[in-house]
Amino acid sequence: AQSVTQLDSQVPVFEEAPVELRCNYSSSVSVYLFWYVQYPNQGLQLLLKYLSGSTLVKGINGFEAEFNKSQTSFHLRKPSVHISDTAEYFCAVSDFFSNDYKLSFGAGTTVTVRA
Amino acid sequence: SQTIHQWPATLVQPVGSPLSLECTVEGTSNPNLYWYRQAAGRGLQLLFYSVGIGQISSEVPQNLSASRPQDRQFILSSKKLLLSDSGFYLCAWSVPGLAGERDTQYFGPGTRLTVL
Repeated sequence: AQSVTQLDSQVPVFEEAPVELRCNYSSSVSVYLFWYVQYPNQGLQLLLKYLSGSTLVKGINGFEAEFNKSQTSFHLRKPSVHISDTAEYFCAVSDFFSNDYKLSFGAGTTVTVRA
Repeated sequence: SQTIHQWPATLVQPVGSPLSLECTVEGTSNPNLYWYRQAAGRGLQLLFYSVGIGQISSEVPQNLSASRPQDRQFILSSKKLLLSDSGFYLCAWSVPGLAGERDTQYFGPGTRLTVL
């Protein structure tokens, strides 16, 4: 099974500043990659996903992520954050060859945007 | 479009009492269904998943069980709750089919369970 490491548990950032959330996964086999956002007391919402094709993936709310196979990374970025981006962010991975349809999640990164 | 419902939204139960949480999906057929738990300060833990009616796979041995009595209904149960069962329970679904799309999971709003 894949293991997913989100390198930062907490990321404080000022409004309108850029943010990068780092995600690394364990296996070099073909994978599918996802980023989810969770606002307080809500379920997870899909931000973006990489299945194939271009390694730069654009998602909702101005977020984008870049898949780097050699570094087994899928870092999430936003050039200018808003107060409303305060949330917890989860990186998730599934194996291309897996038949169990399960995702491996990272521990999450809490982003706090300050004015 | 597809929607997923969970109820109740919040629940406070005494230790030793039974539990039933319900999840239903609309707008899709034969979805894969999942139950997750988020305990305070911990990540997402997959509890059960189902690829069809009556087909349940358990990920973690514990005092919880799951059932899928209908195609788009997934129920999480317990006969006797423990303090450690407190947490935020999330239901999710995915569409079986092409690799990649079947791995994309969509989450419900969650149920906050407090066991006292």
